[in-house]
Parts: sequence; C-alpha cells; structure tokens
Amino acid sequence: DAEITQSPRHKITETGRQVTLACHQTWNHNNMFWYRQDLGHGLRLIHYSYGVQDTNKGEVSDGYSVSRSNTEDLPLTLESAASSQTSVYFCASRAHSSTGELFFGEGSRLTVL
Amino acid sequence: QQQVKQSPQSLIVQKGGISIINCAYENTAFDYFPWYQQFPGKGPALLIAIRPDVSEKKEGRFTISFNKSAKQFSLHIMDSQPGDSATYFCAASSAKTSYDKVIFGPGTSLSVIP
Repeated sequence: DAEITQSPRHKITETGRQVTLACHQTWNHNNMFWYRQDLGHGLRLIHYSYGVQDTNKGEVSDGYSVSRSNTEDLPLTLESAASSQTSVYFCASRAHSSTGELFFGEGSRLTVL
Repeated sequence: QQQVKQSPQSLIVQKGGISIINCAYENTAFDYFPWYQQFPGKGPALLIAIRPDVSEKKEGRFTISFNKSAKQFSLHIMDSQPGDSATYFCAASSAKTSYDKVIFGPGTSLSVIP
C-alpha cells in the first residue's frame, strides 16, 4: 500500500544544532507540504513543493528550509534549532488537484532544549 | 484574509448527543472546505469536504452545513460516540493559484463521554 512516512518520530536536540526531518511518500504525488502543529494555532504551513526542484515558503518559513531532488522525498531542515521550534511536524502530500485530499504522515515530535 | 476561524476550542458531549463545530473565513477565493479528523499520536485524515455550490453534505453521521453569504460552515456529528473523540480541523483552499494551499483552522478537541 502507498504511504507517507516521517523520521525520526521523536527527537531531542539542543539550541543551535542543525536538524533534518525526513518525509518519504510512495504515492508519486507531485505536491508535498510541511506543517507544524502547536496548541491554539492548528496546522501552520512551513514550506511546500509542487514538483522536483520546486520549493516555496509558507506562512512560518523563517529558520526552515526544504529541498526536492526527487518526487518521493521532501526533507525539512532547521539550520540552527531554536526553542521556539519545539513542535510536532507533519508532512503531507496530495496529487495535482489543489482541492484534493491531503495525506499526512504520523508526525515528528521535536524538542529543542 | 487567509485565516480560517474555528470554535469552540474544546467540546464535551454526551454519548448520543450532537457535536457542532463552527468555522468562518474571509477570503471569497476559497472554494473547497474540507474537515480533517486527528486522533492522538496520528496525522490528520480527511473526514468530509464540501464545495460552495451546495449548502449541505452528509456522510453517515457527519454533516457539513455551508452558508456562502455568511462565509461560515459547520460540522455536525449526530449520535456522537466515544470513538469520535478526536481533534477536528476545518480548512479551506482554492483552485486559484494564489490560494491553493490548504489553510487550517486552530482545531477543536472533542471528547464524547459515555
């Protein structure tokens, strides 16, 4: 069965360290998204990609970057982790349609000490 | 203008009761309104969605009511069950390029007590 997987599921890091969260989907979807989930804020869009070599900033992109070298993967990098980036991160993908269903991974819980 | 508002933040309902969650939006470019359900430790999953050309959509015990003029939509869960206990997110997006990202409301934590 097609799926979307995130790793690691849990990570603790220190302020200033670089962290990369992996996202891999096997649906061959062109659209991929990274959201962060915080209490009271719901799901906020960090970065997104509509295809290989395409990346775009979302509403809370400062301090994050992504790269899309193939269809299946969209890794999220925190260049210098800050305590404000402690959150649960969700990767999602969808087919072409802008009104299509988003398929989410199970999340990566990141704690920055 | 991109914001989607959602209330209440939390909701406690007796088993068999009706759960109602309300959402509102400002951007008239939005033309697709999905609801996502999230269980603890899991990612959100699509529950039901509606387009503004209809005022209501029903799937089993779940119904979306849509009021285009008021720019409001709501989720009704009939005969609520403990298994419905989850966080519910309303969302909006558009086929128009500038607004095609899915924008989520802040979520409602629903607890259905036996």
